[in-house]
Amino acid sequence: AQKVTQAQTEISVVEKEDVTLDCVYETRDTTYYLFWYKQPPSGELVFLIRRNSFDEQNEISGRYSWNFQKSTSSFNFTITASQVVDSAVYFCALRDWTGNQFYFGTGTSLTVIP
Amino acid sequence: GAVVSQHPSWVICKSGTSVKIECRSLDFQATTMFWYRQFPKQSLMLMATSNEGSKATYEQGVEKDKFLINHASLTLSTLTVTSAHPEDSSFYICSARGAQSSYNEQFFGPGTRLTVL
Repeated sequence: AQKVTQAQTEISVVEKEDVTLDCVYETRDTTYYLFWYKQPPSGELVFLIRRNSFDEQNEISGRYSWNFQKSTSSFNFTITASQVVDSAVYFCALRDWTGNQFYFGTGTSLTVIP
Repeated sequence: GAVVSQHPSWVICKSGTSVKIECRSLDFQATTMFWYRQFPKQSLMLMATSNEGSKATYEQGVEKDKFLINHASLTLSTLTVTSAHPEDSSFYICSARGAQSSYNEQFFGPGTRLTVL
C-alpha cells in the first residue's frame, strides 16, 4: 500500500531560523515520484519540487533544499533562513508511475513568527 | 504552460440546491481529470478520476449520484454537487493530465471553496 506520513502537524519558528519538514513514504513500486507542495491560505497548491525514484541527488533551490534518502524512505524539506511568507501548509505527496494516483500526506502547517 | 482554472473560486449555496464547479485546462488537452476534496485542516482526498468521453471512476465511499462528474471535452470537466448539504462544505480541487504530459504530470487548479448553509 502507498502511504505518506508527515508526522509534524504544526511547526512554529522565528524568522531567519532554519526549519526541516519531515516526510516518510511507503510504496512497493520501484518507479514512483515524490512531490512537495505549498498551500498558502488562499488554498492554491504551489508546486515546489518533483523527484523520481531513481534520482537520489539532493536539490537546492534558493532557500529551499530537499534530502531524498531511499534507504530510509524519506524526502525531507528544509527551509533556510525562514521568512514570514513561508507560512503555509506544506504537503508531501507520492505519485505512482502511471500518474493516476497521488497520495498526499496530512500536511505540516508552518508558521514563521516575525 | 499547463494552466488549470476552476470556476467559481468560491460559492455559497442553500442546503438542497445543486452546485456546478468547472475545471478547465487552458493551454493543453486534458485526457484525464481528477477531482479532490479537502476538508479544513485535512489532506486532499481523491474523489474521482474521469477520462474524456467516459464515465468517471469514483473512489470508495464517494457517492456517484451525489457528485456528478462530466468530462465531455478535452478541456473541460464539471463536478456537480447535487442536493448539497452543510457536510458537503469543503474545498474542491481539480487536476488535469494531458496525453502529452511529461512524467504523466498532473496540474492542479486553484480550488473552489463550497459553503452550504
